[in-house]
Amino acid sequence: DTGVSQDPRHKITKRGQNVTFRCDPISEHNRLYWYRQTLGQGPEFLTYFQNEAQLEKSRLLSDRFSAERPKGSFSTLEIQRTEQGDSAMYLCASTSDTFSYEQYFGPGTRLTVT
Amino acid sequence: RKEVEQDPGPFNVPEGATVAFNCTYSNSASQSFFWYRQDCRKEPKLLMSVYSSGNEDGRFTAQLNRASQYISLLIRDSKLSDSATYLCVGRGNTGKLIFGQGTTLQVKP
Repeated sequence: DTGVSQDPRHKITKRGQNVTFRCDPISEHNRLYWYRQTLGQGPEFLTYFQNEAQLEKSRLLSDRFSAERPKGSFSTLEIQRTEQGDSAMYLCASTSDTFSYEQYFGPGTRLTVT
Repeated sequence: RKEVEQDPGPFNVPEGATVAFNCTYSNSASQSFFWYRQDCRKEPKLLMSVYSSGNEDGRFTAQLNRASQYISLLIRDSKLSDSATYLCVGRGNTGKLIFGQGTTLQVKP
């Protein structure tokens, strides 16, 4: 499968725990985006990488959130001291610096904080 | 005010009906526009890009009116398989996508 993959697909955690999600983009894509989607809403932008550089962060990305893309390939999103309000689907998308800029989404990681 | 706004619906239509969705956008989401389709508990998938000249893909027609900051999607001859959430999406300067809330369509036999 050469699409975007995310791991884990589901995560249940207790409030206050730390969680980390992984995204593997399409191999030749140099841009990687993270979004968060809560029930009944469209996805909201969190952050974006071009290669290994994190070029933009949303104000939604509080100091409990950190994202990395150390070698310009896979990316991780960590949430520290999770809160119930962090329960959402976390989506990763990748694209290349081409004219179309079409973003290809992974299947998402569904986080439930109890 | 949200950057991309759309009526969440739901729109309940019979098979074969024509249905239209609209959305409005603010300047920050004004690089280019798309309609994405999202099935229940799945990731969004690109349905079509939207151009000022209008574009058609089979039963789907999309239109952009930059003067009114208004985007539309028309679905003709609705099929049961068209049941999904349709997301109106703008692309900002850095390439990030700015999504509307989504409009839910339920096509009934």
